[in-house]
Amino acid sequence: GAVVSQHPSRVICKSGTSVKIECRSLDFQATTMFWYRQFPKQSLMLMATSNEGSKATYEQGVEKDKFLINHASLTLSTLTVTSAHPEDSSFYICSAPSGTGGRGRYGYTFGSGTRLTVV
Amino acid sequence: AQTVTQSQPEMSVQEAETVTLSCTYDTSENNYYLFWYKQPPSRQMILVIRQEAYKQQNATENRFSVNFQKAAKSFSLKISDSQLGDTAMYFCAFNQGAQKLVFGQGTRLTINP
Repeated sequence: GAVVSQHPSRVICKSGTSVKIECRSLDFQATTMFWYRQFPKQSLMLMATSNEGSKATYEQGVEKDKFLINHASLTLSTLTVTSAHPEDSSFYICSAPSGTGGRGRYGYTFGSGTRLTVV
Repeated sequence: AQTVTQSQPEMSVQEAETVTLSCTYDTSENNYYLFWYKQPPSRQMILVIRQEAYKQQNATENRFSVNFQKAAKSFSLKISDSQLGDTAMYFCAFNQGAQKLVFGQGTRLTINP
């Protein structure tokens, strides 16, 4: 089945530095990638939607200059947390619609997540 | 805007029992898709079951089945013969075709031995 590979799984960085998270679709083309943030014991909060070859669409309240999303190819989308601060510490998950047509009617494939800790 | 509500933050049952997780949603659309996702301690999101709104028949996947009540906008998940490995967070989710998934708050399910 469709697989989204997400790396790194864990990262610890110093405050003020930038961190890049990669999501690759391994056996299908992901024209769209969704990026979520999840706090402990809470639901997934959609941060932004990236589409291959175009600018990402950010949800209200998400700082586009802090969370840079690039979707340069049909198999790779990246999220860069710039000038990270402790409050950016969270679990980040990517997801792509699986199945034909890419409309998600058959479900969505999720990456395994990245636990970011900013110290 | 579409919303998804899971009114049970936590549930706990004994192994082999049947448990039902509730989910209601709000939409003015007629065609959409509903999903239940499982998030075990590994935090990997796993699709449990999906339902297409235009299909009246309730979806089933082995021990998992749904009770889809379109008029009531209700989409509950029944887990039969529960197993220890079913312990996880369960999220109800809605997709109306705009590709974006809208998640409920989640229900933490614990299966006790």
